[in-house]
Amino acid sequence: GAVVSQHPSWVICKSGTSVKIECRSLDFQATTMFWYRQFPKQSLMLMATSNEGSKATYEQGVEKDKFLINHASLTLSTLTVTSAHPEDSSFYICSARTVSGHGNEQFFGPGTRLTVL
Amino acid sequence: RKEVEQDPGPFNVPEGATVAFNCTYSNSASQSFFWYRQDCRKEPKLLMSVYSSGNEDGRFTAQLNRASQYISLLIRDSKLSDSATYLCVVASSGSARQLTFGSGTQLTVLP
Repeated sequence: GAVVSQHPSWVICKSGTSVKIECRSLDFQATTMFWYRQFPKQSLMLMATSNEGSKATYEQGVEKDKFLINHASLTLSTLTVTSAHPEDSSFYICSARTVSGHGNEQFFGPGTRLTVL
Repeated sequence: RKEVEQDPGPFNVPEGATVAFNCTYSNSASQSFFWYRQDCRKEPKLLMSVYSSGNEDGRFTAQLNRASQYISLLIRDSKLSDSATYLCVVASSGSARQLTFGSGTQLTVLP
């Protein structure tokens, strides 16, 4: 299947700092990328959907000014957690979807574990 | 009510056992259905799609009942390597085609 990478795989930061997470589709062009968050023993919760070159669509309850998403190219989307706080500590997973070649399947990145102290 | 509900388990079964997971979904307009597997601290990986006619992949059998909005996964002859969390996933229709995840059912296969 297609490969999606995320960087960094884990990050520890101080409260109040901003953290940027990159999501890349390595061998296909992703017209749509999704950002999820997963707290321990809970399901993946969709945070936002982004299409290349347009503004992301955020799910209800997700602050767009706190979770900045940029999808500048067909292979890269970034999520920036601004002014991170301990309650933002979570497992952030991106997924990418293409409408050709790989059907309509979503491919997941390996996730980024964020710990805010 | 959650959109996708699963029994969280945990299910602890001996090697070779048959185990079944159930899932219900609330949106009757849902179009596609999947089972994903997620290992501890890893991303979810697609295990299999689920079709109304039922489908089988080796030791895994998935069933969908649209009338009851019910999905199942059966694992036969379970292996130690089957230990993971199994996520029931439902996709909406349309171009957005968002995935909604259940909270997962934890399976531990014991030697």
